Amino acid sequence: ETGVTQSPTHLIKTRGQQVTLRCSSQSGHNTVSWYQQALGQGPQFIFQYYREEENGRGNFPPRFSGLQFPNYSSELNVNALELDDSALYLCASSLPDRGGGYTFGSGTRLTVV
Amino acid sequence: AQSVTQPDIHITVSEGASLELRCNYSYGATPYLFWYVQSPGQGLQLLLKYFSGDTLVQGIKGFEAEFKRSQSSFNLRKPSVHWSDAAEYFCAVVHGGSYIPTFGRGTSLIVHP
Repeated sequence: ETGVTQSPTHLIKTRGQQVTLRCSSQSGHNTVSWYQQALGQGPQFIFQYYREEENGRGNFPPRFSGLQFPNYSSELNVNALELDDSALYLCASSLPDRGGGYTFGSGTRLTVV
Repeated sequence: AQSVTQPDIHITVSEGASLELRCNYSYGATPYLFWYVQSPGQGLQLLLKYFSGDTLVQGIKGFEAEFKRSQSSFNLRKPSVHWSDAAEYFCAVVHGGSYIPTFGRGTSLIVHP
């Protein structure tokens, strides 16, 4: 059973640029969620995808967007990067079962300069 | 809206001592409750979860947690802490109308030899 894999592990971008982060879900999981974790904070929910459709979104602006593919892998895209976007971005996969818990990847550390 | 409070930002214990990390939630009905652990530079790992039944739940790595409805609490405990338990611990809640966990800000556990 494979876990959740995220790429890249680290990334440095310049303010105003665009970035794409990638996530491969755990085998058998058809739901993927993305979280932003700023330094010293808990993860903040960005959005969730289920069967390629967005089915929940947190308090993030539209420049944060996502995709889920038929194989349940996923992308997080952020346009017009701001300094405050610097954070650890976590992908988590799950079954559509609120009691099951999430399996998290190790995250992508994004630094915006 | 649901919220999760972890009142202790840092907890320091000696190796071999007992541990209790506090978590309080605000939600009218019984939510689904989780504890996750995050080692430096890593994603989150599920320690244990509660959604019904026995209010004392056992998890991995010797951890347990007790759900107390009257106090809206779900505190994490371990009878004897090991140096490898040093990490960030997050409490999370999923309420009945959602599949999406809301995380607390975390408690950093420091273990002294």
